[in-house]
Amino acid sequence: EVHLLESGGGLIQPGGSLRLSCAASGFSFSSNAMSWVRQAPGKGLEWVSSIGGSGSAFVTYYADSVKGRFTISRDNSKNTLYIQMSGLTVEDTALYYCTKQTGYSSGYFDYWGQGALVTVSS
Amino acid sequence: DIQMTQSPSSVSASVGDRVTITCRASQDISNWLAWYQQKPGRAPQLLIYTASAFQGAVPSRFSGSGSGTDFTLTISSLQPEDFATYYCQQADSFPYTFGQGTKLQI
Repeated sequence: EVHLLESGGGLIQPGGSLRLSCAASGFSFSSNAMSWVRQAPGKGLEWVSSIGGSGSAFVTYYADSVKGRFTISRDNSKNTLYIQMSGLTVEDTALYYCTKQTGYSSGYFDYWGQGALVTVSS
Repeated sequence: DIQMTQSPSSVSASVGDRVTITCRASQDISNWLAWYQQKPGRAPQLLIYTASAFQGAVPSRFSGSGSGTDFTLTISSLQPEDFATYYCQQADSFPYTFGQGTKLQI
């Protein structure tokens, strides 16, 4: 059974940094593309970043809203996905979901974690 | 970026009703489209991908259709557990984008 468990969320001041982790189990982690999708309170879904699976040389992609501030990475030996967030603003306040994609480069999110809440506030 | 526009934004319906939600892409995305269901306080769940393929054990009352720029999600006979928010998402190209959501309520 697939499990995705995010950690690392919390309250952070504007301009601060935070790293979210996502521990994955129940599937071949290194083979699958993974992504972060966020949802601001009461709002819709926003794709944040993706990292490809082993078939795509782990290529990374970012939404314009986070490019240059966020860095996605993965440790296949630990079956863990990360996102390092810096220069945080109040607009980054959201529930951050770790998602598994349906293949090494597919754009469909077939499993989601329960989310990690990031609150950016002074 | 590809813009995804859903309609309606919300819809009131009753158990047993047939409901159709539409999603329009700002450019041709072939059939690279998914539909997700999100219930309050829960993570979204993938229902349909490549416009019409079911993910897992999705009930047969759900169906998806369309290609190019216009897509629909139809629920043939609403059940109480179907009241939720539905999102479309294009998987044609980065940045992946979602529709604004359609809230299905009683």
